[in-house]
Amino acid sequence: DAGVTQSPTHLIKTRGQQVTLRCSPKSGHDTVSWYQQALGQGPQFIFQYYEEEERQRGNFPDRFSGHQFPNYSSELNVNALLLGDSALYLCASSLFRGDYGYTFGSGTRLTVV
Amino acid sequence: SQQGEEDPQALSIQEGENATMNCSYKTSINNLQWYRQNSGRGLVHLILIRSNEREKHSGRLRVTLDTSKKSSSLLITASRAADTASYFCATDLSGGYQKVTFGIGTKLQVIP
Repeated sequence: DAGVTQSPTHLIKTRGQQVTLRCSPKSGHDTVSWYQQALGQGPQFIFQYYEEEERQRGNFPDRFSGHQFPNYSSELNVNALLLGDSALYLCASSLFRGDYGYTFGSGTRLTVV
Repeated sequence: SQQGEEDPQALSIQEGENATMNCSYKTSINNLQWYRQNSGRGLVHLILIRSNEREKHSGRLRVTLDTSKKSSSLLITASRAADTASYFCATDLSGGYQKVTFGIGTKLQVIP
């Protein structure tokens, strides 16, 4: 039973560039949430997707956008990268109607130089 | 912003000892969850306790929830070196859609 798969695992981008991160949820899950985790901090909620729509959003600027596809996989896009966007980006999948907790991927380590 | 706040932020114990971590939160919740993270990797779900539950066990883990005090504790008994990790509490807020908000974590070191 495949868990959550994220790609790529590491990425180095230049300030001002754009980046796309990808996530395949655990089999049977229909909801994808994205988190940003800076070094030494807890994960910060970016947004959540269900039925191909953004259902909830955290306190992140519009430079952060996302998408969910019919197969439940998801993308996180970040435009006009800033040095402060350097972080571990975590994807978590879950069942929308249920309180069973999240399954996380291993994350994408983004470094902006 | 962080909903939960773990205490202590760092904890160092000898193998075989028990480790207790506490979490306080601010608003009403549907459930509270504990996760483990090893060295900047993905988080692993450990246990979920619902707002109408007071205590839950899973193997060497024991979680308590006091909704009147808006607090929870995670007890790891007979700790092992492999338990060395960061532990986060996360709250799923009441009302509206499922949205899980994490605290800042407790860094646990178990010395062999």
